[in-house]
Order: sequence, then C-alpha cells, then structure tokens
Amino acid sequence: GAGVSQTPSNKVTEKGKYVELRCDPISGHTALYWYRQSLGQGPEFLIYFQGTGAADDSGLPNDRFFAVRPEGSVSTLKIQRTERGDSAVYLCASSLKLAGGLTDTQYFGPGTRLTVL
Amino acid sequence: AQSVTQLGSHVSVSEGALVLLRCNYSSSVPPYLFWYVQYPNQGLQLLLKYTTGATLVKGINGFEAEFKKSETSFHLTKPSAHMSDAAEYFCAVILLNTNAGKSTFGDGTTLTVKP
Repeated sequence: GAGVSQTPSNKVTEKGKYVELRCDPISGHTALYWYRQSLGQGPEFLIYFQGTGAADDSGLPNDRFFAVRPEGSVSTLKIQRTERGDSAVYLCASSLKLAGGLTDTQYFGPGTRLTVL
Repeated sequence: AQSVTQLGSHVSVSEGALVLLRCNYSSSVPPYLFWYVQYPNQGLQLLLKYTTGATLVKGINGFEAEFKKSETSFHLTKPSAHMSDAAEYFCAVILLNTNAGKSTFGDGTTLTVKP
C-alpha cells in the first residue's frame, strides 16, 4: 500500500535549464493532479489527468510547462527554460474516479522542491 | 469560480486549549470541503472532508468541522490542543458538479501550540 511518490525530492537548477519532475500515483488511481505551492501560499492547481489524457490544463501558467502521462500511471511535469519565479514545491495527487464522474479523496505526495538559481 | 479564505495566517494556542481554525468559501454550486494538515517537509494529509449528509464531520487526531451553508463556512475545531498538532492547516474546496475535481486551497493557517 504505497502512497503517492515523487522524485526527486529536491531539485536545484540554473535559470534557463530544463527540468522534469516525476509522480508515481497510487496503484489503480485513474485521476492524477499536479499542484504548485509557493512559499506562504496554498497549493495552486496546474493540470489534471483522467487516464492518459489531460482533462484540464487550465492551471498551467504558460507554454513552458507541460505534463504527460503516457500509460495512465506515472506522470512527468516538464518545465522548459526555467525562471527564478518557478521556484516552488510541486505537489502531485491521485484519486479514484467515482460513478457519475465525481472525484474521490485526493492523496498527495511529499512534493518536489524546485529551486531555480 | 470558487475561492477559499482562511482567516488568520497564524494561530497560537496553549496546550489543552480549544483550537479553532476558520475557513470560508465562495462557490456558485454545492462544494466538497476538505481540511488538510501539512507538517514540515511533508505532503498534505487529509484530516477530514464533507461531501454530503451530516454537516458535522469528524476526522483524525480528534479534529472535527461543521459545514454551515448559510454562513458558507467550514471551521475546524479540536477541543484540546496537543503539542503534536503544531503544523500548517489548509482548507480546500472542490465543486460538486465538476468532472475535474480540482481543489482550490486557502493560503493556510500555521498553528502554534505553546506548552
């Protein structure tokens, strides 16, 4: 019964570099979410996957951010040309999808702390 | 669009005292409501949730919250604070009629428990 795992736990990069953040959801959870938590704030929604497809990507701040979930399990959040303002904790969550399309409880991973120098 | 307001970014109580963390939401449709706790360098842990049914919900670690539709509130309480309750607490809302299920969070309340 492993929970949601995220790797790496910490990532330090230089401005302009490309980074990938990985999320392993709970086995059997079809819904997967990415959130970003800046210092002193609550998590902000980035993108939601139902299965392999991005059902809602309205929270992605700009086209430097992209996420994939090719096999409907593991997801990767990709950030191109990183900027100092991208520094934050990136959280992943997964959940079951209930009948009628309603969502069940979201279970969160420990997050990846991204620091852009 | 929905939003969540947590009144008081910092709350300090003495050990054994009542804990009250406030959360108000705005939503055009019925919401699901959640409280999460976050300890330093850890992920969010669900304390309790309201979806339908009884408006007073009980969660882990002795916490409970009451959904008051008329006040659009979902305040979190615990009768007697313990030192281990010191953490950051987040209130969140999910719209009931959405297929996305994305959560909107408040900015959090840091709870300090004094000995």
